[in-house]
Amino acid sequence: DTAVSQTPKYLVTQMGNDKSIKCEQNLGHDTMYWYKQDSKKFLKIMFSYNNKELIINETVPNRFSPKSPDKAHLNLHINSLELGDSAVYFCASSMGLDTQYFGPGTRLTVL
Amino acid sequence: SQQGEEDPQALSIQEGENATMNCSYKTSINNLQWYRQNSGRGLVHLILIRSNEREKHSGRLRVTLDTSKKSSSLLITASRAADTASYFCATFQAGTALIFGKGTTLSVSS
Repeated sequence: DTAVSQTPKYLVTQMGNDKSIKCEQNLGHDTMYWYKQDSKKFLKIMFSYNNKELIINETVPNRFSPKSPDKAHLNLHINSLELGDSAVYFCASSMGLDTQYFGPGTRLTVL
Repeated sequence: SQQGEEDPQALSIQEGENATMNCSYKTSINNLQWYRQNSGRGLVHLILIRSNEREKHSGRLRVTLDTSKKSSSLLITASRAADTASYFCATFQAGTALIFGKGTTLSVSS
């Protein structure tokens, strides 16, 4: 019954590695997002996709590449991980401008 | 760029008391939303108020919006220990995504 799910929940990896986080929503929404929450709990939008098209791409290093294979999925691939990438990453979805529903988050720790 | 700014940053109250959190923002918006985040968890949507609305209620929650002052408030009445969490306001403009404030950490003790 999970509305927005993310995997994995925890990710611990070494600097320089490449990793992916997956997100799926079963709400039939047309828009999906990736947010980053830093250690001070500040949440910042990274990307937004509407009907598989990228519509928002904030100032994010190009080591981060989102991929939306279909409307229900938005994955985040990160190349050459750096210490500063350690954070909690949240996926969310919405129907147009309406309420956004968030996933449980993926806590990424880069050692 | 940060849009919403919550005040206070932290609030400690006793069970049964009311908790009021304020949010100020900078530019025009389509709607303003309040979210709750329990420690180590994802965000839970509480309430959405559109720019043409002034007040909205949901259970023990009351949200007001003053677009002339670019501010909103969230009132939680008769608070419970389970209300302990961080509360974020987020503003939405067409063509963009939600922009979150830094949050208010609410602690309700029994």
